[in-house]
Amino acid sequence: LAKTTQPISMDSYEGQEVNITCSHNNIATNDYITWYQQFPSQGPRFIIQGYKTKVTNEVASLFIPADRKSSTLSLPRVSLSDTAVYYCLVGPNTGGFKTIFGAGTRLFVKA
Amino acid sequence: DTAVSQTPKYLVTQMGNDKSIKCEQNLGHDTMYWYKQDSKKFLKIMFSYNNKELIINETVPNRFSPKSPDKAHLNLHINSLELGDSAVYFCASSRTSGGPTGELFFGEGSRLTVL
Repeated sequence: LAKTTQPISMDSYEGQEVNITCSHNNIATNDYITWYQQFPSQGPRFIIQGYKTKVTNEVASLFIPADRKSSTLSLPRVSLSDTAVYYCLVGPNTGGFKTIFGAGTRLFVKA
Repeated sequence: DTAVSQTPKYLVTQMGNDKSIKCEQNLGHDTMYWYKQDSKKFLKIMFSYNNKELIINETVPNRFSPKSPDKAHLNLHINSLELGDSAVYFCASSRTSGGPTGELFFGEGSRLTVL
């Protein structure tokens, strides 16, 4: 499975747009890119998934360049409640595959 | 209704004891997982079951034994607990086909402390 690399931590202020980039140089043709969010004392929660170009939902946007070797999770106008760890995962879009979570990016949003 | 529920949420026990953590999902998913999150917050898969059959078994000591009585339940039994077993254990489930496959739904975790 493709290994991912993300920044260990990021700081932001309320109201700002936050972009977290994930590198996955060895992504395979049938791999999807998925992002999860984890709050303290909770299990990770699915945010967004994409294969190529751009995906947007009510929570975030995911930008994937043509070579798919990286992806950027964009959180518009963050609030204090967006303080969490964000995980980037790469793998086939079929349940049951070996989902590997890296260390994630710890986002701290300040007032 | 809680989609993926685990019990107990907290578990404190002595070294050498045997303990179990239960997990149930009401999402109709056919794949369930156990993950371990250590103190450094790395989340590592331990086991995966699809329709009650073991499909992933990572390098986990034999003291850990998952049991799936039906596809809605995946329990984790741990024998002879060691200090290094202290962690948060997460249960998760997913669909294997149809819809947004691959999305994992996690429980709230069970924090195990071995003294």
